[in-house]
Amino acid sequence: DTEVTQTPKHLVMGMTNKKSLKCEQHMGHRAMYWYKQKAKKPPELMFVYSYEKLSINESVPSRFSPECPNSSLLNLHLHALQPEDSALYLCASSQDLMGAQFSGNTIYFGEGSWLTVV
Amino acid sequence: AQSVTQLGSHVSVSEGALVLLRCNYSSSVPPYLFWYVQYPNQGLQLLLKYTSAATLVKGINGFEAEFKKSETSFHLTKPSAHMSDAAEYFCAVSGSSRIDRRALTFGSGTRLQVQP
Repeated sequence: DTEVTQTPKHLVMGMTNKKSLKCEQHMGHRAMYWYKQKAKKPPELMFVYSYEKLSINESVPSRFSPECPNSSLLNLHLHALQPEDSALYLCASSQDLMGAQFSGNTIYFGEGSWLTVV
Repeated sequence: AQSVTQLGSHVSVSEGALVLLRCNYSSSVPPYLFWYVQYPNQGLQLLLKYTSAATLVKGINGFEAEFKKSETSFHLTKPSAHMSDAAEYFCAVSGSSRIDRRALTFGSGTRLQVQP
């Protein structure tokens, strides 16, 4: 079962709202990711968690706050967003073979959460 | 840093015709290369990946890609296009360092249209 589940599928929020996007995987993966995808553009990396620790933050504004409560869950907390933050937010996961020879980790993506900021 | 360039933002083929989507990589070390497909309003699905085990990689849905080091290319092909192949295709590369290898850098994407 290679499934990454994201909720909600669609979210509309005002610029003063606080909301969260949620992601779950049960593949035993220890690396989890958030990507942002604008219309007609490729996904752009936002955050990487490895073994529940934040290992990469691609200079993302602080109005986006990631959280990894355990190895299966990844959240993205949203606060004071701007209309230009409207996009498809993709969660992904992969095995993280630290210390082992890299063999081309496959990154599995969820269906995404469509965010509209009004 | 590793990067990929996809030549052609739009490709249109007739049903039954050969599909060729181009991807060139830039890397100072042997890269790990991937092709993903994104159907409208959906997430990304892995088609195939190159991890140096074999230069010709077969993927799902009849797609394959050949790694050519001399040309720094990893083009995606399918002998006969189906209407269901219409989608956005992304070439991607992951790094070789312990940090970089966990993340993907995507090309700009190629939209494939299949005409009846």
